[in-house]
Amino acid sequence: DGGITQSPKYLFRKEGQNVTLSCEQNLNHDAMYWYRQDPGQGLRLIYYSQIVNDFQKGDIAEGYSVSREKKESFPLTVTSAQKNPTAFYLCASHTRGGNQPQHFGDGTRLSIL
Amino acid sequence: AQTVTQSQPEMSVQEAETVTLSCTYDTSESDYYLFWYKQPPSRQMILVIRQEAYKQQNATENRFSVNFQKAAKSFSLKISDSQLGDAAMYFCAYRSAVTQGGSEKLVFGKGTKLTVNP
Repeated sequence: DGGITQSPKYLFRKEGQNVTLSCEQNLNHDAMYWYRQDPGQGLRLIYYSQIVNDFQKGDIAEGYSVSREKKESFPLTVTSAQKNPTAFYLCASHTRGGNQPQHFGDGTRLSIL
Repeated sequence: AQTVTQSQPEMSVQEAETVTLSCTYDTSESDYYLFWYKQPPSRQMILVIRQEAYKQQNATENRFSVNFQKAAKSFSLKISDSQLGDAAMYFCAYRSAVTQGGSEKLVFGKGTKLTVNP
């Protein structure tokens, strides 16, 4: 079945450490997104990519980095510069154009050790 | 910039009854899309229903329907015959139909937590 796979489901970060969250999709979608979800905050956009080898900052990009070397993959790195990384992270993708909805992965819960 | 407001942080409904979740948005655009997503305790985001702004007819998906009032910039979700499995966070989202710089990003409200009482 087609879908979006995020891994790991749970991740722990030590002080000063960079960690990478994986997002893979086999839906042949061009556009991919990373969102951060905090209690009472809804979803906030971190980075997005409309095409391979291109990506743009979202509303809260500081302390994060991404790459888009393959259409299927859009990994998110939470760097040590992100001082409050504890949150639930959701990856999404969609076919560009029209009213096509975004499809979401199951998320990764990141916590500080 | 567009904003989406969900004024009800929490709502509750009795099983088999009807409940309406509110959503308002602010935009200067005339062409856009609106979505309702459901996030159950498993935390997976599930599309419930979508509406194109150019369509006057309200969208309906089984027990879920919307009341889209374009002039009032309102997009409420009605759930009929509520079931225990409807208990979840519900998010309203806006997307411009104009791809500015290639972006088709969603703008989300903060969500409404729906409890269904047996």
